Amino acid sequence: SAVISQKPSRDICQRGTSLTIQCQVDSQVTMMFWYRQQPGQSLTLIATANQGSEATYESGFVIDKFPISRPNLTFSTLTVSNMSPEDSSIYLCSVRQGVGETQYFGPGTRLLVL
Amino acid sequence: AQSVTQPDIHITVSEGASLELRCNYSYGATPYLFWYVQSPGQGLQLLLKYFSGDTLVQGIKGFEAEFKRSQSSFNLRKPSVHWSDAAEYFCAVVGGNKLVFGAGTILRVKS
Repeated sequence: SAVISQKPSRDICQRGTSLTIQCQVDSQVTMMFWYRQQPGQSLTLIATANQGSEATYESGFVIDKFPISRPNLTFSTLTVSNMSPEDSSIYLCSVRQGVGETQYFGPGTRLLVL
Repeated sequence: AQSVTQPDIHITVSEGASLELRCNYSYGATPYLFWYVQSPGQGLQLLLKYFSGDTLVQGIKGFEAEFKRSQSSFNLRKPSVHWSDAAEYFCAVVGGNKLVFGAGTILRVKS
């Protein structure tokens, strides 16, 4: 299975600022995903990031707020822009690999916005 | 659209007791089904998955799950729970090329 790392593991930010989260995978993958997990909630897909194309955003998420880069097959970034306290969440990177659409997850980035 | 229901928000079991976590899905075709576990402060770890074939699947940490098409269920079981199993468990289904999660079940283990 893929080994996924994320930076930073956690951060405390002031409202109005932006944070870029990095996701690194130990092998080349076609499909990468970004999820948000709000406090006490399940996971919600933000967007799908495929190399060489624009990210595909889910309903309720827009590129201006959550710009994504996917420069190669092992790396992606998610930026949380103009943050407000409502953006306080865990942000998880995920990749799909292997037989049967199995998805693996990174350890998450815990973000607190004050 | 595909969906996943985990009817139990919290479950408390005694250490050494058996465990069953319920999961019901809604999906028109044959589903790909997963169980993940999230320990406090951790990311998601894959416990097991079902794609096809044998309806009883074995996973890591002594967990198993049974796919029942007639009941649209994929319940997770463990014969004897350990204190380290305390965590949140998520059932998920792939549909339309997306992984859709249930709301999760928080498992508490009492000694």
